[in-house]
Amino acid sequence: TQLLEQSPQFLSIQEGENLTVYCNSSSVFSSLQWYRQEPGEGPVLLVTVVTGGEVKKLKRLTFQFGDARKDSSLHITAAQPGDTGLYLCAGLQGGSEKLVFGKGTKLTVNP
Amino acid sequence: ETGVTQTPRHLVMGMTNKKSLKCEQHLGHNAMYWYKQSAKKPLELMFVYNFKEQTENNSVPSRFSPECPNSSHLFLHLHTLQPEDSALYLCASSQEGPGLSFGPGTRLTVL
Repeated sequence: TQLLEQSPQFLSIQEGENLTVYCNSSSVFSSLQWYRQEPGEGPVLLVTVVTGGEVKKLKRLTFQFGDARKDSSLHITAAQPGDTGLYLCAGLQGGSEKLVFGKGTKLTVNP
Repeated sequence: ETGVTQTPRHLVMGMTNKKSLKCEQHLGHNAMYWYKQSAKKPLELMFVYNFKEQTENNSVPSRFSPECPNSSHLFLHLHTLQPEDSALYLCASSQEGPGLSFGPGTRLTVL
């Protein structure tokens, strides 16, 4: 059983479109992180959300942490080819302090 | 970004070979990690070191042997690997608080 489910698994869109990817779980996390991984590179941390209901913006990227701290979403406005990559969410389990990763959403933005 | 470096970037080895992966972090972090990234699977935590002491061994087979001589360097010694061990091996470091800084990874192929 996958602790963190990310959807969709693959997403291919045209430049300029908006998109939302999701990270869902039945477990509560003390915090949640989003990473972007480009081909041939390691993941790069984009944001950490800690408070239920928290919204953080990073230029055209908007991250939201669910009220119950079980899920998160990433919305990209006016996607660009440079946004192409694998988007990973990772939840920190309270108590054990273990970081659990989802399988990722592979995003392709076509020019 | 040269905060965490890994060598080699690519490695092809036979099942009877012995090789080592190297990781160096220049961020002054006190924790270092080895992760395995396989296709269609979430990142799998292998080992954690805090202040050079191993604090986690996530049921990793003994054919993988980590070494952390100081808080800036981490090695993963490999011997008698299996083809299913082929994957991207990622090193990461962290300081207090959530968020990992990953290296670019070593793409390992076991023939």
